[in-house]
Amino acid sequence: GAVVSQHPSRVICKSGTSVKIECRSLDFQATTMFWYRQFPKQSLMLMATSNEGSKATYEQGVEKDKFLINHASLTLSTLTVTSAHPEDSSFYICSASNPRTGDTEAFFGQGTRLTVV
Amino acid sequence: GENVEQHPSTLSVQEGDSAVIKCTYSDSASNYFPWYKQELGKRPQLIIDIRSNVGEKKDQRIAVTLNKTAKHFSLHITETQPEDSAVYFCAASMQRNDMRFGAGTRLTVKP
Repeated sequence: GAVVSQHPSRVICKSGTSVKIECRSLDFQATTMFWYRQFPKQSLMLMATSNEGSKATYEQGVEKDKFLINHASLTLSTLTVTSAHPEDSSFYICSASNPRTGDTEAFFGQGTRLTVV
Repeated sequence: GENVEQHPSTLSVQEGDSAVIKCTYSDSASNYFPWYKQELGKRPQLIIDIRSNVGEKKDQRIAVTLNKTAKHFSLHITETQPEDSAVYFCAASMQRNDMRFGAGTRLTVKP
């Protein structure tokens, strides 16, 4: 199957700082990627849809100025958590599907565990 | 928007028994229903999926059934093994693949 790589896998940052998370499709081009957040023992909640070359689409309740998404190329989407606070500590995970195969299967990155202290 | 409900939240079975997890969805336009297995701290792994033009799909010990009229789908695991213990998520989406996940079921298979 297709490979999606996410970096970093773990990050600890101080309250008030910003953190950038990268999501790369390694062997295919992804015009669309998705960002999810997962709190402990909870489900994956869709935060936003990242569209190559255009603005991201955010889910209701997700602050676009706090969670900045940039999808500058067909293989890379970034999520920046700005002015992070302890309540932003979570598992962030991206996904993408390969449009060339016409398959709707989503391939997930390995996730990023963010801890804000 | 799509709303996916999943039951039960926890399920404990004896090794060798069957496990069934059920999900319902709200948007009749959804046409793709994957099931994921997630181990602690790791990415979800697709274990089986079904599309809306199919009523049942089986892959060895795992099967999924879909009832479009009732808008529900179920995961069936037979002959469970301890390594099946994990959290299982159902999801529903339309072609764009912006999946909505169920709340998850923590399956424990006792040896």
